[in-house]
Amino acid sequence: GENVEQHPSTLSVQEGDSAVIKCTYSDSASNYFPWYKQELGKGPQLIIDIRSNVGEKKDQRIAVTLNKTAKHFSLHITETQPEDSAVYFCAATRRTGANNLFFGTGTRLTVIP
Amino acid sequence: GAVVSQHPSWVICKSGTSVKIECRSLDFQATTMFWYRQFPKQSLMLMATSNEGSKATYEQGVEKDKFLINHASLTLSTLTVTSAHPEDSSFYICSATAFGQGGNIQYFGAGTRLSVL
Repeated sequence: GENVEQHPSTLSVQEGDSAVIKCTYSDSASNYFPWYKQELGKGPQLIIDIRSNVGEKKDQRIAVTLNKTAKHFSLHITETQPEDSAVYFCAATRRTGANNLFFGTGTRLTVIP
Repeated sequence: GAVVSQHPSWVICKSGTSVKIECRSLDFQATTMFWYRQFPKQSLMLMATSNEGSKATYEQGVEKDKFLINHASLTLSTLTVTSAHPEDSSFYICSATAFGQGGNIQYFGAGTRLSVL
């Protein structure tokens, strides 16, 4: 099955700086990679996703890059704000079949005002 | 985006009682819903995959008689924790798949915090 590793487990940045979270996956057949943001006591919220036919996707301050050859993908948050503080999870899946998401272990991001 | 409603958000019960958690897709039909369990400061652990009109598929190590899942309609799945015990205390989260560009996207409910006394 798929195995997703995520680093770092915790990340602290100053407000306005950039934050980068990296994930690797093992199944070369995985072709869909969503990122979720989870605030304390809440369910995960989809913030951005990328498919295997695209190398990079950007949505305002958030961007995701994908390197299929190396089987890794990264989340980039620029101009961080205190409200970006949360736990971020990467995930990988094949988009056919049961669509089971395989999650990384999460990164707790703290943006220091 | 698609909205998934989960109820209740927090439940406290006595040991030995059963608790039902509802997961509803509000503005779309979900043929597949998922149930996860999350321990503090840990990732989501998939418990089971629920398909409308059929029996749920449970992950290895998850007791199907303990965690009863029903998916009777395209917008509702329920998880019943039977004869709950303190070790069942956890954060339970459901998700539902909605069709997006090029395939299905998984949207999550807000979660249910279960505390068993």
